[in-house]
Amino acid sequence: EIVMTQSPVTLSVSPGERATLSCRASQSISSNVAWYQQKPGQAPRLLIYGASTRATGVPARFSGSGSGAEFTLTITSLRSEDFAVYYCQQYNDWPPLTFGGGTRVEI
Amino acid sequence: QVQLVQSGAEVKKPGSSVKVSCKASGGTLVSYAISWVRQAPGQGLEWMGGFIPIFGSAKYAQRFQGRVTIVADESTDTAYMELSSLRFEDTAFYYCARGQFPYPTWHESWGQGTLVTVSS
Repeated sequence: EIVMTQSPVTLSVSPGERATLSCRASQSISSNVAWYQQKPGQAPRLLIYGASTRATGVPARFSGSGSGAEFTLTITSLRSEDFAVYYCQQYNDWPPLTFGGGTRVEI
Repeated sequence: QVQLVQSGAEVKKPGSSVKVSCKASGGTLVSYAISWVRQAPGQGLEWMGGFIPIFGSAKYAQRFQGRVTIVADESTDTAYMELSSLRFEDTAFYYCARGQFPYPTWHESWGQGTLVTVSS
């Protein structure tokens, strides 16, 4: 099973700042990683797939990068609606699909 | 974008089973890979298994093998997840999510979640 490790667990930032979230896979997963945003009481929302492709309707301030085993989600110029929990997920080797433990972005 | 609508909240006793449904609105469901993901209160996301249309059957995470059954009904375009031998620690939100064809990859559409509470 591929283990996805996210860091940091909590990221404290101010509106307008840049946030950089990391995700590491326990083995190479090519570019087969997705990122999701989850707000309290809501289902996850797809942000990025294929490591760097934004999903439909996702603002350009969200970008993904990386390949192999190291991946990054960057949110430039944070807005109030961006404060949430972010998860990475690999789909290179399954079953099972696996998620990281999440990074909480807070003020 | 397709919307997935799940069945309502359930309260179950330990040892019993629960069956959650997931139906698409504004699109199709069962021609895609369908995942079931659970989230215990205050915890992260956990993939339980998925229906794989190219196989016509489901694949499961090992820790749920033998307790979970995922099926898709083509005639009603509805997916179901049944979890048996319920334990207190199965209390969680259960989400269905539509992947891609033919394999579960990323998930662009999610159901609203179904809260299953296991309580004596």
